[in-house]
Order: sequence, then C-alpha cells, then structure tokens
Amino acid sequence: GAVVSQHPSWVICKSGTSVKIECRSLDFQATTMFWYRQFPKQSLMLMATSNEGSKATYEQGVEKDKFLINHASLTLSTLTVTSAHPEDSSFYICSATSGGDTGELFFGEGSRLTVL
Amino acid sequence: RKEVEQDPGPFNVPEGATVAFNCTYSNSASQSFFWYRQDCRKEPKLLMSVYSSGNEDGRFTAQLNRASQYISLLIRDSKLSDSATYLCAVTRTTNAGKSTFGDGTTLTVKP
Repeated sequence: GAVVSQHPSWVICKSGTSVKIECRSLDFQATTMFWYRQFPKQSLMLMATSNEGSKATYEQGVEKDKFLINHASLTLSTLTVTSAHPEDSSFYICSATSGGDTGELFFGEGSRLTVL
Repeated sequence: RKEVEQDPGPFNVPEGATVAFNCTYSNSASQSFFWYRQDCRKEPKLLMSVYSSGNEDGRFTAQLNRASQYISLLIRDSKLSDSATYLCAVTRTTNAGKSTFGDGTTLTVKP
C-alpha cells in the first residue's frame, strides 16, 4: 500500500514555542492530505483538509492561526502549532489518499506533542 | 447525534471467542466504509474495506447494511494479537478521502 511518513514522532517543547510537523507521501502524489488530532482514549478529530497549492480548509472550532497548514508540494504537507500551550499536547496524525476511487486513507505514524 | 457511532467498549473476550462490532452512520449519502485497527499510541491502519456484498479476510468478516445504515465487523477465533481499538470510518464520496470516524471500540483478548 501507499506509504505516508510523518516527522517527528515525538516532540517536547516549552510553552510559547512553535512546533512544525511534516507529513510526506513517499510513493505517490497526494493532492489532498488530512490532519487529525487524537486525545487519549478518544477518536480521531479532523482538524483540516490540506490542499496542494491552496489554503487549507479547517473544521469548525479549529483555529487556523493557531494551526498553520502548508501544502507546498504534492508530497509534503506541514502543520505548525504556533505558540503552543500545554492544552495543545496531543497525538497529531496526518493522512492522505492515493487518488484512487476506494477512499482508503493512508496514515502517517503520528506525532506525539508534549508542551511543558 | 454523531454522524458515526460505534458500540461502546471495552470488549474483553477470551482467546478463541467470536466478537462482533457494530457501527451506525447517519448520512444516507455515505458511500465508502472502512474498518481501521489502531494499536496503542500508533496510527490507524486499514483492516478492511466494507462492501455491500460483504467481504471476508481470514477470521475477519465485514458487512454493510445500507437500509439500516450500519456496518459490522466479526472476528472469529480471537487471538491475543487482535487486542486493539477498532475504528469504523465513513466517507460521503469516493475519491475525496474525507472520512468521519467513530469513537472506536477497544477489544482485549485474554488468554
């Protein structure tokens, strides 16, 4: 299946700093990628849809100035958590489709953010 | 009401047991259906796509009932390695990828 790589896997930062998470599709071109957040024992919450070459579409309640998404190429989307606070600590996961008709999602390995 | 609802867990079963999970969806325009497996602190991985005709992969059987708007996952002869959280996902249109996930059902298979 298609491979999506996410980096970093773990990040610990101080409150007030910004953290960038990268999501790469390694063996296919992804015009659309998705960013999710998952709190412990809860399901995936879609944060935004990242579209190559255009602005991301954010879900209701997600602050676009807080979570900056850039999708500059067909294989890379980045999520930047700006001025991170402890409540931003979570598991952030990206996914992409390979463009087929199945709708199957391929997920990155996830990035666990801890804000001190 | 949530767009996708799953059986509340957790399910604790002995090895060899058969266990079934159900997932209901509210939007009749939904077109694609999936079961994902998520291990603790890991990303979800596709377990099975769900087709109207039903599909089987070894010990796993997935079924879709469009009339009643639910999908199911049956696991036979449970193994310890089946312990995980199972997420159902529904997309409204194919080729779009924007899926809505259920909250997940946690399965623990015990010796």
